[in-house]
Amino acid sequence: DIQMTQSPSSLSASVGGRVTITCRASQTISNYLNWYQHKPGRAPNLLIYAASSLHSGVPSRFSGSGSGTHFTLTITSLQPEDFATYFCQQSYTVPHTFGQGTKLEIK
Amino acid sequence: QLHLQESGPGLVKPSETLSLSCSVSGGSISSSGYSYYWDWIRQPPGKGPEWIGSIFHSGSIYYNPSLKSRVTISVDTAKNHFSLKLSSVTAADTAIYYCARRQNSAHDRNNWLDSWGQGILVTVSS
Repeated sequence: DIQMTQSPSSLSASVGGRVTITCRASQTISNYLNWYQHKPGRAPNLLIYAASSLHSGVPSRFSGSGSGTHFTLTITSLQPEDFATYFCQQSYTVPHTFGQGTKLEIK
Repeated sequence: QLHLQESGPGLVKPSETLSLSCSVSGGSISSSGYSYYWDWIRQPPGKGPEWIGSIFHSGSIYYNPSLKSRVTISVDTAKNHFSLKLSSVTAADTAIYYCARRQNSAHDRNNWLDSWGQGILVTVSS
């Protein structure tokens, strides 16, 4: 299985700030990398697909980049509603695997 | 707008079979045009999500090899829902179980989970 390693596991930031979350794959996955946002008790939401494509309706302050084994999710101008858990997922090969998640908290 | 809703028992005894259903509304599970698969994912407490498996409306199925011997995913296009059965459960199967729609790119093999249910907590305990 392809292992997905996310870092950091948690971070705190201020409203208006900028954060970057990293996801590394244990082998190359081209751009087959998706990012999701999850709030407790709610359905996870797709943010970024194919490493850098913004899903419909997602604010442009979210962006993704990377290819191969190293990927990043960047959130600029943090809003109160952005404080949540974020996780990456590779869809290159079955079984599709996820990162452990990054919990973003308000500083 | 597509809506997915998981349903089933929240408590299952060890060694028994976990059975969940995912009801799809706001769209057909056998939509033509885009190629959609229907997935099950779970998230144990304090851990990252784990992909369980995926089914196409025609019946094509993919399972996580780590669960394959215990998992059955099926689809009922007439009722617009799909189901998960996981046999011989143990405490390690305690998790929030999600159903989701997986969209396939029209250009390459890329695919992503574009719509999820809110999840159902299933606890395995006697």
